[in-house]
Amino acid sequence: GAVVSQHPSRVICKSGTSVKIECRSLDFQATTMFWYRQFPKQSLMLMATSNEGSKATYEQGVEKDKFLINHASLTLSTLTVTSAHPEDSSFYICSARLRLYGYTFGSGTRLTVV
Amino acid sequence: EDKVVQSPLSLVVHEGDTVTLNCSYEVTNFRSLLWYKQEKKAPTFLFMLTSSGIEKKSGRLSSILDKKELFSILNITATQTGDSAIYLCAVDRGGSEKLVFGKGTKLTVNP
Repeated sequence: GAVVSQHPSRVICKSGTSVKIECRSLDFQATTMFWYRQFPKQSLMLMATSNEGSKATYEQGVEKDKFLINHASLTLSTLTVTSAHPEDSSFYICSARLRLYGYTFGSGTRLTVV
Repeated sequence: EDKVVQSPLSLVVHEGDTVTLNCSYEVTNFRSLLWYKQEKKAPTFLFMLTSSGIEKKSGRLSSILDKKELFSILNITATQTGDSAIYLCAVDRGGSEKLVFGKGTKLTVNP
């Protein structure tokens, strides 16, 4: 079945540094990827929609300059958390739409900023 | 504003019990409703429902959609400890590829 590979699964970084999270569609082309954020005991919150070859669309309240999204190819989308702070610590998940089976999710990245 | 409401938010049962999780929605241009199971990592797909009244089954899990009442249920029979997870309901809308998620139901199955 369609798989989205997300890396890294876990990252710990120092405050002020940047972290890049990658999502690759392994056996299909994803023209659109969705990036979610999930705080403990809460549901998935959509941050942005990345579109191959064009600018990402951000949800209200999400800082574009802080969460940089690049979707340079049909199989790769990246989210870079710039100048990370402890409040950015969260679980980040990407997702791609499938024609027949709804959506498939990456395995998620747990980011801890210390 | 589009919204998806799940209930209960939390549920604790004993192994062998049957549970029913609820999901109601108010969205424009409904296309499908999806159920996911989330353990410690990313959600895994359970069901996609598009038509009213047709039950989908997978082992001990089943789900049905009522498009008139804007409602779906997820049933789990003979629960096992491995069913412990957060169950997410999401709605897919026509004209938008963005899913609208409910807050989830946290199910705990005790031995």
